[in-house]
Amino acid sequence: RKEVEQDPGPFNVPEGATVAFNCTYSNSASQSFFWYRQDCRKEPKLLMSVYSSGNEDGRFTAQLNRASQYISLLIRDSKLSDSATYLCVVNHGGTSYGKLTFGQGTILTVHP
Amino acid sequence: GAGVSQSPSNKVTEKGKDVELRCDPISGHTALYWYRQRLGQGLEFLIYFQGNSAPDKSGLPSDRFSAERTGGSVSTLTIQRTQQEDSAVYLCASSSPGLALSQYFGPGTRLLVL
Repeated sequence: RKEVEQDPGPFNVPEGATVAFNCTYSNSASQSFFWYRQDCRKEPKLLMSVYSSGNEDGRFTAQLNRASQYISLLIRDSKLSDSATYLCVVNHGGTSYGKLTFGQGTILTVHP
Repeated sequence: GAGVSQSPSNKVTEKGKDVELRCDPISGHTALYWYRQRLGQGLEFLIYFQGNSAPDKSGLPSDRFSAERTGGSVSTLTIQRTQQEDSAVYLCASSSPGLALSQYFGPGTRLLVL
């Protein structure tokens, strides 16, 4: 089983749609969680951290369920510029502090 | 300010040759990371340097892979006797003291082993 699993998609949605991505992680000791965005043939960039209480940044909402070892990202009012691959990322902390474990990514295409 | 830079941006080599990939982190960032991304896959952690501490090499896939970080700044990832399965994008990231999990990535080096 992969440490971080995501539905690879692709998700094809029209502009203005709401889309949700899910991610599960296998290590119950994981401490920190993130969503990164990666545009085609570009480097990953941090989109947002994920906090236990859930957090929102504009049109983006991230949630964490530690009991189910599940992370989600919700994008409201999708824009063409949201088209990218969204990477779920986990850090185990402790002696693994600094080492990020990436999911394979979920591809999103927003069309007019 | 300048971001993480990597060179070369692309490298084509023949199987069995050695390659060196360079990473120049953001000035002042004490931590430096190397990842590998195969086509259509997520990033795989390779190695992590933090200040003067011994590096975390737990992700290096074989003894053909090694990395150095000289003077706490520039890093070189060396792959000896390259194999076709080494073909991937090699990404470097750096982070500032106390913010190890906010990693800034360079544009990567695309390595193709023929």
